[in-house]
Amino acid sequence: KAGVTQTPRYLIKTRGQQVTLSCSPISGHRSVSWYQQTPGQGLQFLFEYFSETQRNKGNFPGRFSGRQFSNSRSEMNVSTLELGDSALYLCASSPNPSGTGNSPLHFGNGTRLTVT
Amino acid sequence: AQSVTQLGSHVSVSEGALVLLRCNYSSSVPPYLFWYVQYPNQGLQLLLKYTTGATLVKGINGFEAEFKKSETSFHLTKPSAHMSDAAEYFCAVSDSFGNEKLTFGTGTRLTIIP
Repeated sequence: KAGVTQTPRYLIKTRGQQVTLSCSPISGHRSVSWYQQTPGQGLQFLFEYFSETQRNKGNFPGRFSGRQFSNSRSEMNVSTLELGDSALYLCASSPNPSGTGNSPLHFGNGTRLTVT
Repeated sequence: AQSVTQLGSHVSVSEGALVLLRCNYSSSVPPYLFWYVQYPNQGLQLLLKYTTGATLVKGINGFEAEFKKSETSFHLTKPSAHMSDAAEYFCAVSDSFGNEKLTFGTGTRLTIIP
């Protein structure tokens, strides 16, 4: 079974631009979560989607948004990029909503975003 | 609300020595607990999890962890460190009702000394 696939692996953008990251979950998984990982802040939860509905949202500004499609694939969008948005963005999938015990998260290898 | 504290952002052990990575959690409801490992330029991989039942949990690569409710701890151990264990380790907690997102600790970077 294929794992979680994130594209692209690396991205370089300029301040003020916008970016869209893509995540394809493991087949059959309906929950997709997004995390931002930086050396200073560690892993910070962005949001979770389950069956095309946003289930949870972290403390990020409205510039960060996401969506999930009927095939469970998810996209994350960041508008008006800032230097501080440079990070590794991780996507994770699970069969059931995140945190429900026997459904641990399965992570992709991430998209490394650099904002210059 | 839940939180996780990992004591020691960096831990170094000699090859063949005991590995002990500490994790304490806070949760107002019975927790589910996880340990993940991250190798350079990769995502996180599940090492082991505790949901219910036996409090000593065995995971992959020879790691195990013990849930101690009285101490609110879930420390990760391995009897004998290998060079391949060098990585960053994250402890995480969620609630057993599935209402809360998975909350991660800040991570512990494990270095193995030859």
